[in-house]
Amino acid sequence: DAGITQSPRYKITETGRQVTLMCHQTWSHSYMFWYRQDLGHGLRLIYYSAAADITDKGEVPDGYVVSRSKTENFPLTLESATRSQTSVYFCASSEVQGYNQPQHFGDGTRLSIL
Amino acid sequence: SQQGEEDPQALSIQEGENATMNCSYKTSINNLQWYRQNSGRGLVHLILIRSNEREKHSGRLRVTLDTSKKSSSLLITASRAADTASYFCATAHPDTGRRALTFGSGTRLQVQP
Repeated sequence: DAGITQSPRYKITETGRQVTLMCHQTWSHSYMFWYRQDLGHGLRLIYYSAAADITDKGEVPDGYVVSRSKTENFPLTLESATRSQTSVYFCASSEVQGYNQPQHFGDGTRLSIL
Repeated sequence: SQQGEEDPQALSIQEGENATMNCSYKTSINNLQWYRQNSGRGLVHLILIRSNEREKHSGRLRVTLDTSKKSSSLLITASRAADTASYFCATAHPDTGRRALTFGSGTRLQVQP
């Protein structure tokens, strides 16, 4: 089915480890986004990408790295995980035409860092 | 920093009643969007209202936008138990080229059967 898929859905790791969250979309949307959701903060933008090989920082990028070699994939890497990065991570995508486009979200990855 | 702030933070109503949620934001917008999030799931887009629109309807949803007050409201009429979820407003701003949205912290709606 067409859509946006995140993997894994759940992940437990230890501080200092590297972990990569995967995001794959089948719509060929140009824009992709990574958000984190924490209680009391709503969703906050980590990184976004306007197209393959074009990425930029969002509101809370520290400690994260992204890449986008193909339009459909937008992985998020925590280079050295910290407890403050325990959160639920959402990937989203949207079409390029105009500003008035909705975003389409995956079901999230719940990440716990011990 | 967060732009949208929802009010109330939590709302509990009986099935069949109407639910109203409010959202305020700080700077000018291209559009304002409302999303629903069921427990353990991603956000689902409900409705988008452009900055030059004042009211929009979609099924049982009615959204209003007052750009002079920088506020919006979402009305769900004849609520159902299946409407139980968190609702978020999100704003798109013209001064960023990123197309990202700025989300509020949401309203948790509980519809009692």
